[in-house]
Amino acid sequence: DAGVTQSPTHLIKTRGQQVTLRCSPISGHKSVSWYQQVLGQGPQFIFQYYEKEERGRGNFPDRFSARQFPNYSSELNVNALLLGDSALYLCASSLPGQGRFGYTFGSGTRLTVV
Amino acid sequence: GNSVTQMEGPVTLSEEAFLTINCTYTATGYPSLFWYVQYPGEGLQLLLKATKADDKGSNKGFEATYRKETTSFHLEKGSVQVSDSAVYFCALPYNNNDMRFGAGTRLTVKP
Repeated sequence: DAGVTQSPTHLIKTRGQQVTLRCSPISGHKSVSWYQQVLGQGPQFIFQYYEKEERGRGNFPDRFSARQFPNYSSELNVNALLLGDSALYLCASSLPGQGRFGYTFGSGTRLTVV
Repeated sequence: GNSVTQMEGPVTLSEEAFLTINCTYTATGYPSLFWYVQYPGEGLQLLLKATKADDKGSNKGFEATYRKETTSFHLEKGSVQVSDSAVYFCALPYNNNDMRFGAGTRLTVKP
């Protein structure tokens, strides 16, 4: 079975541009979460989506947005990119209400803003 | 809110040495506790977990015991290998939607 898949794996963008990152959860997992991991730090929670609705949001500006599709895949959008947005963006999936028992993470998208 | 404090690294050990990475937590109630591992260039993998006090999680020779008396969940391995070189994160749920991670401890094992 495929795990959590993310695309692209690497991305380079210029300040001020917009970026879209994609995630497909494990088959049967309906909950998708996004995390930002800045180099040398632990992952920070950005969003969680379930049944196409936002169920939780971390302390990130409105430049960050996301959505979930009927097949439970998800996109993370970041507008007006800043140098500080350079990070590894991780997607995680879980069964509904089971996040407290652990998430399965994808390999991430490494975003570099220049 | 719930949080974890993790031993800062980096940690450098010789092959077959004993490993301990300390993790303490602050939490309401007794949430599940986790250790995740991140190998170079990869995402996070769940290494082990414990879902209630006094539980011991184990996997790949790693162990951690959920100790409510000391609010700790230290990661241990009796004999590390070069292939264990990675960054290790202690984590716990913040609420139903959010997992909080420690800052990570980088382990380097030398042959």
